[in-house]
Amino acid sequence: EAGVAQSPRYKIIEKRQSVAFWCNPISGHATLYWYQQILGQGPKLLIQFQNNGVVDDSQLPKDRFSAERLKGVDSTLKIQPAKLEDSAVYLCASSPPGDYEGYEQYFGPGTRLTVT
Amino acid sequence: QKEVEQNSGPLSVPEGAIASLNCTYSDRGSQSFFWYRQYSGKSPELIMSIYSNGDKEDGRFTAQLNKASQYVSLLIRDSQPSDSATYLCAVTRDNNDMRFGAGTRLTVKP
Repeated sequence: EAGVAQSPRYKIIEKRQSVAFWCNPISGHATLYWYQQILGQGPKLLIQFQNNGVVDDSQLPKDRFSAERLKGVDSTLKIQPAKLEDSAVYLCASSPPGDYEGYEQYFGPGTRLTVT
Repeated sequence: QKEVEQNSGPLSVPEGAIASLNCTYSDRGSQSFFWYRQYSGKSPELIMSIYSNGDKEDGRFTAQLNKASQYVSLLIRDSQPSDSATYLCAVTRDNNDMRFGAGTRLTVKP
C-alpha cells in the first residue's frame, strides 16, 4: 500500500513570496490533515478535511494560509505572503474511515520550507 | 500549562534496558492517545494507540493509560540503538484536533 505522498520535499523562498504544497493521501482515506512542525516542537494541526469539507481550521492563520481539497482526494496548502516564522516542516497526514482505526493518522514525508 | 507535556530529555539508556517515556495531558475529555516515533529529519511514525485505561502491549512496546491521573506512558523493553529517536505523545478528544507534545529524545547506547 502506497503511503502519503507530498511534494516538493524542500522549498526555499524569500519572505513575502508565495508557496504551495501538494498532498496525496493513502487510497481510501477520507480524512486529511495538514500540520506545521517547527524545529524542536511537536506537529501543530493547521487544518483537517473530511472528504471535501473542512472539519477544523481553528489554528490556520487565515490571513496568509489557505487550503483546499477538491474531489475529496488531493489537497494543496498555500502560503501567501510568507513570513520568516513560517520556516518549518509541513506535514500531511491521512486516516482511514471507521471508529478508532479512523483516529490513527499516517504521515507523509513532509515539505521542509525555509523562508529567507 | 501546555495541553500535552513531555520531558524533552534527552533520555539515555543502555542497550537492552527498559526505556520509560511519560506524558501528561490537560483535557479531561481526551479519549484517544497515541505514541509516534520520529527519527531525525523524518516524519512521525505511529507506534501505539490506546483508548482505555490499562496496558496495551505490542512486541517490545507497552503503552499505559491512566485517565484519572491524565497520564500516558510508553515502555520500550530490550531497547536497541535503532530505537534512538524522538517519541511524540499525541492526544485527541474525538477524531478532531489531535494535540502533540514536544517530544522526548531517546538515546540508546550500545
